[in-house]
Amino acid sequence: AQTVTQSQPEMSVQEAETVTLSCTYDTSESDYYLFWYKQPPSRQMILVIRQEAYKQQNATENRFSVNFQKAAKSFSLKISDSQLGDAAMYFCALWENTGNQFYFGTGTSLTVIP
Amino acid sequence: NAGVTQTPKFQVLKTGQSMTLQCAQDMNHNSMYWYRQDPGMGLRLIYYSASEGTTDKGEVPNGYNVSRLNKREFSLRLESAAPSQTSVYFCASRSTGHLPHEQYFGPGTRLTVT
Repeated sequence: AQTVTQSQPEMSVQEAETVTLSCTYDTSESDYYLFWYKQPPSRQMILVIRQEAYKQQNATENRFSVNFQKAAKSFSLKISDSQLGDAAMYFCALWENTGNQFYFGTGTSLTVIP
Repeated sequence: NAGVTQTPKFQVLKTGQSMTLQCAQDMNHNSMYWYRQDPGMGLRLIYYSASEGTTDKGEVPNGYNVSRLNKREFSLRLESAAPSQTSVYFCASRSTGHLPHEQYFGPGTRLTVT
């Protein structure tokens, strides 16, 4: 069965510091995508970054980058130079190309300390 | 483009009452989804519609029905609301025509059943 696990319910980081959020997943497919979504207090789900499984290069979007370890089925999100606006719930999600569903982790609540 | 819209934003129901949550997207997406979000449980899929005229059960379909009225609209109905259905409900859509497959989410509906 497909599962996505986020083992850190809560994390905190000092403003301007770097934080890494963990995600592990399980799938028997070879063709899939991984995503990180951000949910601020407004509740709106916002796509932060995506990674295609067939790409070895880790995705990067400005201050956000991932460490994709395919063999270990690990997909962590690194936020550099953390800002107050980064405070939110972060969800890791898996999409398999043979299916039609996303699988979400339970989320990590990130607090940014001024 | 409005993206994905949901109505209402908030709703309070008494046990046993019925209601329909409305969702519409203007991005010409084929696939649409209904999720519920509960504390500590992430997003769980209730129903999805891969294309106009088709619907399928997700992880937690009991107590819900859906209608894919046309390509734009996908409604979720609670026939006899129960306190266990108190949650935040998200509608999402996704294009199947091209990569990279991310979902676009509506703003959510906070439902309380007393």
